[in-house]
Parts: sequence; C-alpha cells; structure tokens
Amino acid sequence: DTAVSQTPKYLVTQMGNDKSIKCEQNLGHDTMYWYKQDSKKFLKIMFSYNNKELIINETVPNRFSPKSPDKAHLNLHINSLELGDSAVYFCASSQGRAAPVNFGQGTRLTVV
Amino acid sequence: QKEVEQNSGPLSVPEGAIASLNCTYSDRGSQSFFWYRQYSGKSPELIMFIYSNGDKEDGRFTAQLNKASQYVSLLIRDSQPSDSATYLCAVNPPDRNQFYFGTGTSLTVIP
Repeated sequence: DTAVSQTPKYLVTQMGNDKSIKCEQNLGHDTMYWYKQDSKKFLKIMFSYNNKELIINETVPNRFSPKSPDKAHLNLHINSLELGDSAVYFCASSQGRAAPVNFGQGTRLTVV
Repeated sequence: QKEVEQNSGPLSVPEGAIASLNCTYSDRGSQSFFWYRQYSGKSPELIMFIYSNGDKEDGRFTAQLNKASQYVSLLIRDSQPSDSATYLCAVNPPDRNQFYFGTGTSLTVIP
C-alpha cells in the first residue's frame, strides 16, 4: 500500500505544452511538498502546503502552479513547458514541518 | 554559502570496510538532521535522523552530530555492495519551515 503516490511516473512532452502531475498520500500527514531534482541530483524544494495552505513558494517560474484540493492531495500543473523543466519531480509529505519527509516515487519529466 | 554542503564523491570503499560520509551546515540554530539514501532511478528514503549532539546507532549505521562544529556524519560499518547509492544529508533550520538537502555523496562498495 503506497504511502505517497504520484502519477505519471514518466512524462515526455513537447515544448509549449501544459501538463499536470498528481500526488496523493495516505499517511494522514498535514504537510506536502514538491521537490525538483536536477541532473546533478540536487534536490530543491519548490512548494510546501500545510493543511491545504501554501507556506513555501520558492523562486520558481509562475508557469508552475500547485493545487491542494485537500490535505491528502497536492497536484502540480506546469504551463508552457520549456526544455529546462526537464527533471525528476518528487512529491513528499510529513507530519509537521520538522519531521522527516516521505517521498513519492518521482515523475521523470522530459521536455523535447 | 550553501545551507548544506557535502563532498559529492564518488567515494569507493571495499566490501566490509567502514564508509564515512560527512555533511556541514551553515545555520547554527539547526535542530533536526537527516540522512537519506537514494538508489539510482529511485526516490530518497530516510535511513537515519538525529537531533542531539553525539552518536546515534541503528544497525550498521551510526549518525554523529557535532553542533559546535556544525557537522553531521554517517558511518556505515561492514559496508555491503547493496549500500552503493547516493547519500543525501538534510537539515531543517529553525524558522525556515523546510528541509535543505545537500547535493549528495555517491558511495560505491566494491565486492
């Protein structure tokens, strides 16, 4: 029974397209995150939601828009995809902001 | 200065040896420290966390924290080829509401 699940696992799309990545957690955690991992394995936070409220919005292009319909879901929508958006995107969750995070399996996004 | 710094490696050790991974952090007030392991093509998984100065042992893994020197390390005893992975250090500075990850150290255990 997957704790943090995200779909799709792989996403290949053309420049300029709009795409979404979905994430769900069944751990009952109150905080969810989106991280981006680049080709050099650097893991950088993009957004954090606590009980559906946005608490962290790092410097990311406004083409990226997170949406949290409830505290178990945090989706990521990306408009006008660019080549530089190619990366692995991880959804994660934690109970509180200081607790360890549990990661989803990642979505490898390739923009061609 | 980056919040968390790690030697990217690669670090190679023979099977059965002790692997030592190090991490330094910049925010002196940080309270929570985590080690994650990431296999190639997989997501990071938590292997250790430590909050207090000193050592914390869990099986073959020992986390060491020295707040005065602002470093945290991970020792892997009796290294196995299955330990070959990238190890990520994460720090949760106070009042930042997020984790900062290091760039990871790539470890290869040679049979």
